[in-house]
Amino acid sequence: DAGVTQSPTHLIKTRGQQVTLRCSPKSGHDTVSWYQQALGQGPQFIFQYYEEEERQRGNFPDRFSGHQFPNYSSELNVNALLLGDSALYLCASSFGLAGGDTQYFGPGTRLTVL
Amino acid sequence: GESVGLHLPTLSVQEGDNSIINCAYSNSASDYFIWYKQESGKGPQFIIDIRSNMDKRQGQRVTVLLNKTVKHLSLQIAATQPGDSAVYFCAETPTYGGSQGNLIFGKGTKLSVKP
Repeated sequence: DAGVTQSPTHLIKTRGQQVTLRCSPKSGHDTVSWYQQALGQGPQFIFQYYEEEERQRGNFPDRFSGHQFPNYSSELNVNALLLGDSALYLCASSFGLAGGDTQYFGPGTRLTVL
Repeated sequence: GESVGLHLPTLSVQEGDNSIINCAYSNSASDYFIWYKQESGKGPQFIIDIRSNMDKRQGQRVTVLLNKTVKHLSLQIAATQPGDSAVYFCAETPTYGGSQGNLIFGKGTKLSVKP
């Protein structure tokens, strides 16, 4: 049973560039959430996708956008990168929208903005 | 969310001892709580969860205790092993106010197990 997978594992970009990160959910899951984890901190919720729509959003600017595909995989896009966007980006999958379903995390994508 | 900088609270224990990691959560409306373990360079790994209608739940070598009166959560690890060394996060899921499903993570605790 494949767990949550993310690509790429590492990425280096410069300020002002745009980046796309990818996530495939755990088999049987249909909901994908994205989190940003700065060094030494807990993950911060960015947004959640279900049925190809953004259902919830955390306190992140519009530079952060996403997409979910019919096969439940998801992308996170960040435009006009800032130095402060350097972080580990985590994807988590779960089943359904109701609160309380366990979210399983992928290994993350380490983004470095120079 | 809160900023804790680079200095996580650290718990150092001897191999074979029991470990207790504590967490204060923020939202009295939260009804689902999870403990995650995060090893260096990896994503958070699910350990154990508990719902607000319970005050204790046991897994393999781990026990979670929930005290809703003081909004406190703890994780107990029995017979701690070197492989338990990691950062441990508690997370809560509020289910009111349109915020179903997103996890709010607490401050992590770094567990260091001495052989």
